[in-house]
Amino acid sequence: QKEVEQNSGPLSVPEGAIASLNCTYSDRGSQSFFWYRQYSGKSPELIMFIYSNGDKEDGRFTAQLNKASQYVSLLIRDSQPSDSATYLCAVMSGQNFVFGPGTRLSVLP
Amino acid sequence: GAVVSQHPSRVICKSGTSVKIECRSLDFQATTMFWYRQFPKQSLMLMATSNEGSKATYEQGVEKDKFLINHASLTLSTLTVTSAHPEDSSFYICSATLGGSNSPLHFGNGTRLTVT
Repeated sequence: QKEVEQNSGPLSVPEGAIASLNCTYSDRGSQSFFWYRQYSGKSPELIMFIYSNGDKEDGRFTAQLNKASQYVSLLIRDSQPSDSATYLCAVMSGQNFVFGPGTRLSVLP
Repeated sequence: GAVVSQHPSRVICKSGTSVKIECRSLDFQATTMFWYRQFPKQSLMLMATSNEGSKATYEQGVEKDKFLINHASLTLSTLTVTSAHPEDSSFYICSATLGGSNSPLHFGNGTRLTVT
């Protein structure tokens, strides 16, 4: 069964620090990788996607992909209390989207 | 672009009644839509994949006769929870993709269903 794994957290970081969120996946043939943010009681919203090995930066967010290690991460620089949410890693495996369980991030003021 | 609209956002119904949830792709055509359910503090769970013009594909353990899905047009999919029971109370979220191998899922705002 194709799986996506994340630490459930909570991951607590002080305001202004870098938050690092990690995700591993089992299907070596996966090609597309996505990070979603979900606030409590809300639906997920897309933050970033990455398809190629290496880093992709968008504002305070950087996604990193290492297909050889089957690992994708999300870095949030200058973390703000408003970044406190659950972050979902999603992997497109064939035509299917497989979601990880999410990591709960808490940014402490 | 890629806006998905879901209605209603909240619904309270009595046990035994049926509830219909609508999911619309506003600015694109979606041949495939996905329905998820999420219980408090738990992960997203895929319920079914809705295909325009054909029968939905249900995940294992999801009762197709209880959760009726209709995808009659390229911009509208509906989920009907029939004979709702309190254990059906959950957060139901639809999503759609523009298609193509690298297109992300775009989610509706979700529907909070409470069955009393």
